[in-house]
Amino acid sequence: GAVVSQHPSWVICKSGTSVKIECRSLDFQATTMFWYRQFPKQSLMLMATSNEGSKATYEQGVEKDKFLINHASLTLSTLTVTSAHPEDSSFYICSARDRGSATGELFFGEGSRLTVL
Amino acid sequence: DAKTTQPNSMESNEEEPVHLPCNHSTISGTDYIHWYRQLPSQGPEYVIHGLTSNVNNRMASLAIAEDRKSSTLILHRATLRDAAVYYCILRDPEGSARQLTFGSGTQLTVLP
Repeated sequence: GAVVSQHPSWVICKSGTSVKIECRSLDFQATTMFWYRQFPKQSLMLMATSNEGSKATYEQGVEKDKFLINHASLTLSTLTVTSAHPEDSSFYICSARDRGSATGELFFGEGSRLTVL
Repeated sequence: DAKTTQPNSMESNEEEPVHLPCNHSTISGTDYIHWYRQLPSQGPEYVIHGLTSNVNNRMASLAIAEDRKSSTLILHRATLRDAAVYYCILRDPEGSARQLTFGSGTQLTVLP
């Protein structure tokens, strides 16, 4: 099946630094990718929708200047957590839609666990 | 997206069948029923999806009620590796650019 890869799978950083997470669709083209965040014992919460070649659409309550999203190609979207703080520690997951799929099936990355000290 | 309701948790014994229910009384005619599961510390994994007829694949079976207001994910022989949170999600393929909206899901515990 289609594969979506995230990198890094985990990262530890100091408070105030920025962290970039990459999401790649390995064997299909994705015009749209989605970024989710998941806190312990909770469900996935959508943060933003990343559209290739245009600005991302952010969900209510998600700061676009803090969570920078770039979707420069049909196979890569990046999420940059700027000036990270301990409350940003979470499991970040991306998903991508195979635009060639009739049912619009979504595929998920393995997730990236961010720990901010 | 229409709302789904699932039990918070279920338990099963290893190598026994598991039936995970999902209620979706406000489902629209074009909504597909998708099931994903999330193993600990991993991203969600596609399990199965269907529209009206029952579906089978190598992972599971999906039984859909005649009125489509409920469905059941069936794992024929649960293994310890099936312990995960199972999410039942409705999705309209016509609006397939939209995201999946996750509910709280069902935490499946498989007992050895």
